[in-house]
Amino acid sequence: NAGVTQTPKFRILKIGQSMTLQCAQDMNHNYMYWYRQDPGMGLKLIYYSVGAGITDKGEVPNGYNVSRSTTEDFPLRLELAAPSQTSVYFCASSYSEQGAGELFFGEGSRLTVL
Amino acid sequence: GENVEQHPSTLSVQEGDSAVIKCTYSDSASNYFPWYKQELGKGPQLIIDIRSNVGEKKDQRIAVTLNKTAKHFSLHITETQPEDSAVYFCAASINDYKLSFGAGTTVTVRA
Repeated sequence: NAGVTQTPKFRILKIGQSMTLQCAQDMNHNYMYWYRQDPGMGLKLIYYSVGAGITDKGEVPNGYNVSRSTTEDFPLRLELAAPSQTSVYFCASSYSEQGAGELFFGEGSRLTVL
Repeated sequence: GENVEQHPSTLSVQEGDSAVIKCTYSDSASNYFPWYKQELGKGPQLIIDIRSNVGEKKDQRIAVTLNKTAKHFSLHITETQPEDSAVYFCAASINDYKLSFGAGTTVTVRA
């Protein structure tokens, strides 16, 4: 049982490049999330999904896209990378039949845009 | 949306002493308040949570208190140990699975 797995762990991008951060969970969780973490700013929700085929915007969605074609996978796509997207990205999942439940986080993906 | 403020941003305590972290929230409809611990190079991990129908909850050396009237909640760690050194995040939610996190508190336990 691996929990939440994120790849890659580190990546350097040039301005204008695109990339996809991968996230997979093997706990059969219905909810999945992408957060970004910036120093002194806590965790900000980018996108989330309540189940396969359903996604919605969080607090800071601009510059990102997601898809949820299966229960297990929730990739985050960065189009036209900008320096403001330099951050540590965390994928998380949870299971709940009614509202908030414990979030299980991956170990993070550190992205630098130069 | 919900706004969560967390204080202090850094906290240094002597091993064996207590540590207290305080958070305030803006939306009186929030009803779920978890605390997460993040060790260096890892993702955050839930350590304790409380719902709005409860005023206090304890789990060994960790306790959380909630004051709904004042819209604040606190994390208390007693008998601190070196392994308690980490970044701690509070969060609040209106039962809709979208947590709003505080900015975090870096706790350092001095031996």
